[in-house]
Amino acid sequence: GESVGLHLPTLSVQEGDNSIINCAYSNSASDYFIWYKQESGKGPQFIIDIRSNMDKRQGQRVTVLLNKTVKHLSLQIAATQPGDSAVYFCAEKNSNSGYALNFGKGTSLLVTP
Amino acid sequence: DSGVTQTPKHLITATGQRVTLRCSPRSGDLSVYWYQQSLDQGLQFLIQYYNGEERAKGNILERFSAQQFPDLHSELNLSSLELGDSALYFCASSPGRQETQYFGPGTRLLVL
Repeated sequence: GESVGLHLPTLSVQEGDNSIINCAYSNSASDYFIWYKQESGKGPQFIIDIRSNMDKRQGQRVTVLLNKTVKHLSLQIAATQPGDSAVYFCAEKNSNSGYALNFGKGTSLLVTP
Repeated sequence: DSGVTQTPKHLITATGQRVTLRCSPRSGDLSVYWYQQSLDQGLQFLIQYYNGEERAKGNILERFSAQQFPDLHSELNLSSLELGDSALYFCASSPGRQETQYFGPGTRLLVL
């Protein structure tokens, strides 16, 4: 079936470096994408979203890039900080899922000093 | 803090029992979503309510049901519990028919 998946299950970066978390999706009808951060024991926290009519969107220290040609999504975190350590999920919505989000498996980001 | 509240935070029960999880959406949000998070399945969408009406169903078992009340809070009822139902259950809400969903802190259910 349709799925959203992540290339790298774990990512370790040094404090101050930039982080890139990747996500692949398979449904060409996906029209909305969102990144969540989940810290241990907490619920997913909204980071940034992007619609399919955009290629790039920037937030505070984060950038999401969307490549519809290869069905790939990435989250870039600038100047990664220890507080960025968490599991990051990408999720997508398509016309078949209504307003429900389909989540990927998640990438664990570990920021080392 | 997303503004979505869930109770209880933890729940331990036995197989065959029934439990009710409660969610209060962010002020003004009309849509409520329920998700299940387990180690092997990740975050799975269960069901959505919009202004009291069921709008979408995902991978929700027949043993599970939900409702949204006039004050917009929602309850997820899990019955005939099995060991495999042990998971984190999250509620999310959104303003209306918009996509951005804000998640609550979750209820951790352990079925023994």
